[in-house]
Amino acid sequence: DGGITQSPKYLFRKEGQNVTLSCEQNLNHDAMYWYRQDPGQGLRLIYYSQIVNDFQKGDIAEGYSVSREKKESFPLTVTSAQKNPTAFYLCASSKIDLRAQPQHFGDGTRLSIL
Amino acid sequence: DAKTTQPPSMDCAEGRAANLPCNHSTISGNEYVYWYRQIHSQGPQYIIHGLKNNETNEMASLIITEDRKSSTLILPHATLRDTAVYYCIVKAEKLVFGKGTKLTVNP
Repeated sequence: DGGITQSPKYLFRKEGQNVTLSCEQNLNHDAMYWYRQDPGQGLRLIYYSQIVNDFQKGDIAEGYSVSREKKESFPLTVTSAQKNPTAFYLCASSKIDLRAQPQHFGDGTRLSIL
Repeated sequence: DAKTTQPPSMDCAEGRAANLPCNHSTISGNEYVYWYRQIHSQGPQYIIHGLKNNETNEMASLIITEDRKSSTLILPHATLRDTAVYYCIVKAEKLVFGKGTKLTVNP
């Protein structure tokens, strides 16, 4: 079945450590997105990419980095510069018409600090 | 992106229709109305979207007022599995999620 796979489901990070969250999609979607969700809050956009080798900052990009070397993959690195990384991270993808096409989400990665 | 206003919570009896309202008075002409829902600890699930006309799919119906300043998501026969947070989003290019409406379907 087509879909979006995020891994791992749970991730623990030590202070000062970078961690990378994986997101893979087999929907043949051009656009991919990363969101962060804090308890009781809505989603906030971290980064998005509309095409391979190109990406744009969202509303809360500081302390995060991404790459888009393949159409199917959009990994997110949470760097040590992100001072409050504990959150639920969600990856999404969509066809390229950003206004009229819905985004489809993975099941998320829950990141915690040890 | 236009801002949306939703009630923080609603209740519905199982088997009855659930009508979830959303106000988006500052919506622009090229912005779509999207609805998603999120069950605890899962990713948001796309439900339906529309621009001007009412829309229906296997999950729900979307009613958009003629002036496009508000909309209603209708779940025709709510079940316990429909208990979730429902997000109404006005989208030009990127999704902006608010806090949504927590719908509780009661037996």
